Amino acid sequence: AQSVTQLDSHVSVSEGTPVLLRCNYSSSYSPSLFWYVQHPNKGLQLLLKYTSAATLVKGINGFEAEFKKSETSFHLTKPSAHMSDAAEYFCVVSDANTGNQFYFGTGTSLTVIP
Amino acid sequence: DSGVTQTPKHLITATGQRVTLRCSPRSGDLSVYWYQQSLDQGLQFLIHYYNGEERAKGNILERFSAQQFPDLHSELNLSSLELGDSALYFCASSPRVGGGPIEQFFGPGTRLTVL
Repeated sequence: AQSVTQLDSHVSVSEGTPVLLRCNYSSSYSPSLFWYVQHPNKGLQLLLKYTSAATLVKGINGFEAEFKKSETSFHLTKPSAHMSDAAEYFCVVSDANTGNQFYFGTGTSLTVIP
Repeated sequence: DSGVTQTPKHLITATGQRVTLRCSPRSGDLSVYWYQQSLDQGLQFLIHYYNGEERAKGNILERFSAQQFPDLHSELNLSSLELGDSALYFCASSPRVGGGPIEQFFGPGTRLTVL
């Protein structure tokens, strides 16, 4: 069975300060892991994906995530928050071998304070 | 723009009615996934089709059904609608299944309001 837990439903940071959005996963198989972002009234956009080539994954807009198998975590970080980063963020897990089903976390709402 | 199109953008209907949501995947993508997003349930996987065949079912009600046509577009049919079916319905597509991490490309969604 696969599941994702996003540890914070809301995160608030000041503009220019670091962002940390936490995600833990559970997977019986070799997992594929993703972070998606959803801006208000928009569809979901891929930020980054874990491909097993490297544990530190770089994505768009300065975001990164580190895959830690021992901690079953895939936390999303950004060194310096921008106002445009305010959005809903989803951590997603799927089975790397089949990709038949994707499991979404409940989402973390990021607020950036000017 | 992800390349995935969904129609209509908005749909308002009454309880007990039946509606059809349409999704056209990105050119060349064989997989189509349907999701329901509501405030109380979050983003729920409904069903996955690959090249016309059903591959996986998630939390899809028996009142809901889907299919993928030979031209690869997909339709999600919702019947006997209830107030609780009001939600944003997303379609996503991907080029393949298996063989490593598969990125999904999401459409803009269809907002369904059941009155």
